[in-house]
Amino acid sequence: QQQVKQSPQSLIVQKGGISIINCAYENTAFDYFPWYQQFPGKGPALLIAIRPDVSEKKEGRFTISFNKSAKQFSLHIMDSQPGDSATYFCAASMGSGAGSYQLTFGKGTKLSVIP
Amino acid sequence: DGGITQSPKYLFRKEGQNVTLSCEQNLNHDAMYWYRQDPGQGLRLIYYSQIVNDFQKGDIAEGYSVSREKKESFPLTVTSAQKNPTAFYLCASSMRDYSYNEQFFGPGTRLTVL
Repeated sequence: QQQVKQSPQSLIVQKGGISIINCAYENTAFDYFPWYQQFPGKGPALLIAIRPDVSEKKEGRFTISFNKSAKQFSLHIMDSQPGDSATYFCAASMGSGAGSYQLTFGKGTKLSVIP
Repeated sequence: DGGITQSPKYLFRKEGQNVTLSCEQNLNHDAMYWYRQDPGQGLRLIYYSQIVNDFQKGDIAEGYSVSREKKESFPLTVTSAQKNPTAFYLCASSMRDYSYNEQFFGPGTRLTVL
């Protein structure tokens, strides 16, 4: 049973546009939601993360929006650039206590930013 | 520079052979993880270890084995019992006492069964 559902599977955005990737989770015990960025042939790298005590977190052009009641969170990339072309993974974990070491990942979104 | 190294970058295996993938970290992290990545499938947890000489199965442990004899090292053996081992394998580590689980990933090993 997939616990984190990510959409879309692929996304094409024009340079300067806004890229939006959505994730939904089922386990209400999740309280840590990171996004990872992966370039081809490389390992993923943490991009930005949020805890459910806030509804939005912004770092530069990257923003996470979080809706606890809907059990959804999304990544917005403003002013998308060709260098943002990568695969993005959302993930979730319980921040502390039993199971806090396990990240559950979505299946990924391949973003292509075209000039 | 602190980080996670994985070797080899590419690995080819004949059917019926066991192979071992190396993962080393110098971040002084207690916890280490192995993931398998297949196209369109995201990352799936194989094994993880929170402390030396202890490890737990993840979601897809069948056909794999690990050891954790040193804090810095967490090698993964892909055994002949793994029926479909061709994949990209990623090692990660994190601080054990860090309440919110930021994992740092290595560059990966691509395993191909011939």
